[in-house]
Amino acid sequence: QKEVEQDPGPLSVPEGAIVSLNCTYSNSAFQYFMWYRQYSRKGPELLMYTYSSGNKEDGRFTAQVDKSSKYISLFIRDSQPSDSATYLCAISLTGGGNKLTFGTGTQLKVEL
Amino acid sequence: DTGVSQDPRHKITKRGQNVTFRCDPISEHNRLYWYRQTLGQGPEFLTYFQNEAQLEKSRLLSDRFSAERPKGSFSTLEIQRTEQGDSAMYLCGQGRELFFGEGSRLTVL
Repeated sequence: QKEVEQDPGPLSVPEGAIVSLNCTYSNSAFQYFMWYRQYSRKGPELLMYTYSSGNKEDGRFTAQVDKSSKYISLFIRDSQPSDSATYLCAISLTGGGNKLTFGTGTQLKVEL
Repeated sequence: DTGVSQDPRHKITKRGQNVTFRCDPISEHNRLYWYRQTLGQGPEFLTYFQNEAQLEKSRLLSDRFSAERPKGSFSTLEIQRTEQGDSAMYLCGQGRELFFGEGSRLTVL
């Protein structure tokens, strides 16, 4: 079993839709959770960083962590074509720039 | 812009050749990480430095790979006798939340 499972997609939604992206993880020791966005042939760009259960909001993005279920989500409201990218979840045992374990990424396409 | 610069952005080489990638980070971050990302996969940890000391290496880092960070500033990742399986994006990152550079894409023919 992989440490982090993520549906690779592709996921196609119309512009303006609410997008839900999800990951599950196996080790309850993981404490830090991140979401990255990656455009084609570019490096991953950090979107959200959280270390506790609950929700964290930043503009159109909301990260949700449920440690009891070992389940993390990223919601994108009012999705735009510019949101079309691959979204990677990442988890870490500790903060402080420690090494991350990534999911495989979900490819998202937001269509006009 | 994360301030992490990587060079070259893309390298095409023939199998058996040596290649070297360079990472120039923001100077105030003392930890620097190298990751590898193959097509359709998430990045995988290779190694990291605390200043100039290489503190951990993944089992993915075979003896053909060597990384250095002289004086705790820029870092290099060298791959000797490249194989087609080395084709990937090599990412350098730093910072508490791990900010990445744009990556160096390697194609081994």
